[in-house]
Amino acid sequence: QKEVEQNSGPLSVPEGAIASLNCTYSDRVSQSFFWYRQYSGKSPELIMSIYSNGDKEDGRFTAQLNKASQYVSLLIRDSQPSDSATYLCAVTDHGSSNTGKLIFGQGTTLQVKP
Amino acid sequence: DTGVSQNPRHKITKRGQNVTFRCDPISEHNRLYWYRQTLGQGPEFLTYFQNEAQLEKSRLLSDRFSAERPKGSFSTLEIQRTEQGDSAMYLCASRPGSSLYEQYFGPGTRLTVT
Repeated sequence: QKEVEQNSGPLSVPEGAIASLNCTYSDRVSQSFFWYRQYSGKSPELIMSIYSNGDKEDGRFTAQLNKASQYVSLLIRDSQPSDSATYLCAVTDHGSSNTGKLIFGQGTTLQVKP
Repeated sequence: DTGVSQNPRHKITKRGQNVTFRCDPISEHNRLYWYRQTLGQGPEFLTYFQNEAQLEKSRLLSDRFSAERPKGSFSTLEIQRTEQGDSAMYLCASRPGSSLYEQYFGPGTRLTVT
């Protein structure tokens, strides 16, 4: 059973701080990794994708990938109350069908306190 | 708005009734996915279409569920003889037919079975 693990939280940080969200995955074949943000009652919104080892920065967001350790993380700098949401880690399942379907973690709830 | 659209946004039905949901993907995206999400969990893969062909169905999908994508455009997901356990958010996502696996979600259809 291929799995994606996240700490459900809540992770609470003060406004302006760095929020660090972590994710581990079980399938060594996975090649594509994503972070989605989901506000309560809404659908997931893609905020970052990463395909190779190292860091990828986009504005206040940095995704980090370490395939050897099967670990993905998301850093949010200068956290704002509007960043309060559930962050979902997703990994492509490159099994025999190779459809690109995503396996999601259960999500980490982030609370940014003013 | 050129994003993924889903209808209806909310559906309340009585146990035993049939329901049908519709998804219109981003126009240039030939890959389409259905997921289901229950409270506190990440989305769970249901089925995948490449153009009009349904190429994968989750083993978790019972015979009461069926999906179609005629002419490779919009898709429908039908649930027959609904059960209370079918209550969930049903999400549709699409992506282009490229080597990138980034999926974009619609707003979802929230199903409540009473």
